Amino acid sequence: EVQLLESGGGLVQPGGSLRVSCAASGFTFHSYAMSWVRQAPGKGLEWVSVISGSGGSTYYADSVKGRFTISRDNSKDTLYLQMNSLRAEDTAVYYCAKTVRGSLYYFDYWGQGTLVTVSS
Amino acid sequence: FMLTQPHSVSASPGKTVTISCTRSSGSIASNYVQWYQQRPGSSPTTVIYEDNQRPSGVPDRFSGSIDSSSNSASLTISGLKTEDEADYYCQSYDSSNAIFGGGTKVTVL
Repeated sequence: EVQLLESGGGLVQPGGSLRVSCAASGFTFHSYAMSWVRQAPGKGLEWVSVISGSGGSTYYADSVKGRFTISRDNSKDTLYLQMNSLRAEDTAVYYCAKTVRGSLYYFDYWGQGTLVTVSS
Repeated sequence: FMLTQPHSVSASPGKTVTISCTRSSGSIASNYVQWYQQRPGSSPTTVIYEDNQRPSGVPDRFSGSIDSSSNSASLTISGLKTEDEADYYCQSYDSSNAIFGGGTKVTVL
């Protein structure tokens, strides 16, 4: 059974940093690209970033480019999102999502999410 | 490009609802369309991928299609059940982004 378990969310001040993690199990982690998708309170889904299975390719939404870094540790079956220079508009639930085999940009499994709140 | 969905649709139990997702530019057939269900307080789940494929465990009451003439995709839910009440998001992509529609709230009357 595929499981994705996010952690690391919390309250951070504007301009601060935070790293969220996603522990994966139930599939061959290194064989799949992984993504982060966020959802601001009461709003829709917004794609944030994707990383290839090997970690050699990464892509970002314009809204986070230069501030967020996606990475993965295939020895630990864990996905990360390092968030720097955080803004109030980054407040959201952050979901990790497993991509469908062979794709970068669509998803078959989602985690339960971790809430990041940016506020002073 | 953008994906535009109606804000809400509603129907009685047992009826059929169809949610549209219109692509603003470029062909709807150029890139696969996915549909995600998000019940209140829960994370999204995938109900359709690659235009019309159902993941295992998704009932065949859910079906997806694309229509090049209207440049849109559709999610149809037949035999509507109370458990189908949720937000539904369409999603596609280009060369470097995943793109979501704004979401449609399905209400079971």
